[in-house]
Amino acid sequence: GAGVSQSPRYKVAKRGQDVALRCDPISGHVSLFWYQQALGQGPEFLTYFQNEAQLDKSGLPSDRFFAERPEGSVSTLKIQRTQQEDSAVYLCASRFIGTSGASDTQYFGPGTRLTVL
Amino acid sequence: KQEVTQIPAALSVPEGENLVLNCSFTDSAIYNLQWFRQDPGKGLTSLLLIQSSQREQTSGRLNASLDKSSGRSTLYIAASQPGDSATYLCAVRSRKTSYDKVIFGPGTSLSVIP
Repeated sequence: GAGVSQSPRYKVAKRGQDVALRCDPISGHVSLFWYQQALGQGPEFLTYFQNEAQLDKSGLPSDRFFAERPEGSVSTLKIQRTQQEDSAVYLCASRFIGTSGASDTQYFGPGTRLTVL
Repeated sequence: KQEVTQIPAALSVPEGENLVLNCSFTDSAIYNLQWFRQDPGKGLTSLLLIQSSQREQTSGRLNASLDKSSGRSTLYIAASQPGDSATYLCAVRSRKTSYDKVIFGPGTSLSVIP
């Protein structure tokens, strides 16, 4: 497609449920990022993939959060046993060049708004 | 640890006014600084990217400046229009990671009143 897509756009979960959020990056983009954006805040880094390799997961808030990108394209962010504090918008971004030093930007998807009741 | 702040948190101006949004960062070891626009329910759109060696970038009615030594950037919007209403985020890319790790500020919510 022309841009980064995410699904679902909205997700309501009961506390304790597991959820899976999908990101389809721009075709050919090497880098993929997940961010968490709380209401009124800027996005906060969760994890980074270069192709299928997860190079940094230091931003994942707990071991209930898990991300994968098995074939180096589509990525899934899974949250197990959701808690109310997990309510946020989850943004995915992709970038063409994987190594540092390049100047091209990250392209963001529209996000998935997760509400945990 | 890199921290990014933005002032003001919210701004409301009448159409036609020129305005300035401010961004500050604590660690000057950056590759670049980027300004994004976020509309409600949508992702982020890149507006301007300034490399660490540059002092400013311009695109149409937008001008962004960077003073790396003082840890500051400004986004200047000329002749504001109602369509400029959105949240504006600045983000810095740190030199201290081996890849494109970006730290965002909390954003400035702009309303341009017709």
